[in-house]
Amino acid sequence: GNSVTQMEGPVTLSEEAFLTINCTYTATGYPSLFWYVQYPGEGLQLLLKATKADDKGSNKGFEATYRKETTSFHLEKGSVQVSDSAVYFCALRRANFGNEKLTFGTGTRLTIIP
Amino acid sequence: DTEVTQTPKHLVMGMTNKKSLKCEQHMGHRAMYWYKQKAKKPPELMFVYSYEKLSINESVPSRFSPECPNSSLLNLHLHALQPEDSALYLCASSQGGLAVRYNEQFFGPGTRLTVL
Repeated sequence: GNSVTQMEGPVTLSEEAFLTINCTYTATGYPSLFWYVQYPGEGLQLLLKATKADDKGSNKGFEATYRKETTSFHLEKGSVQVSDSAVYFCALRRANFGNEKLTFGTGTRLTIIP
Repeated sequence: DTEVTQTPKHLVMGMTNKKSLKCEQHMGHRAMYWYKQKAKKPPELMFVYSYEKLSINESVPSRFSPECPNSSLLNLHLHALQPEDSALYLCASSQGGLAVRYNEQFFGPGTRLTVL
């Protein structure tokens, strides 16, 4: 079946540090891959997505590249801010099926200290 | 309007109460979802409605009863819940259809439910 493995948290970084949150997946076919962010007390927001191999999703300074050869979709940001403190979920969804469920990783809690 | 709204924001209920959660979207989406999220865990899918018909039920206990009265509204009726049902209940919607570009789900802010 489908599964997503992401690095265990919590992760604590200083402001302006480089961020990497690792995500690898197991899936049949060619899934779409997503990063969602959840700020304290809120629902999930889509941060970025990629729908095919070698696609790079980017948003708000965050980037992730769909690597089929390593089945990975690592999240990176060059210089984090305190406002990036949140929980980040990597997720996949099978392509070409409109309403199939998202399979989430366990989430990584990120705290940025000034 | 790219927003999914949920009411109420917080709900406290006893084990014998009957209550309902409401979700609404005006993006013209035809797929709507209920998720349950326990503290420090990822969301778990409960139900999917596609074109107002229930398409996925993830073996959810019958004390949770979903309803989709029209394409913009999704309800979750609650009855005889247990304390372990306390969680954040998230609603989401997506455009629906079979193409990859319809895959993006938009989430609401959630209803935080406490069962006493």
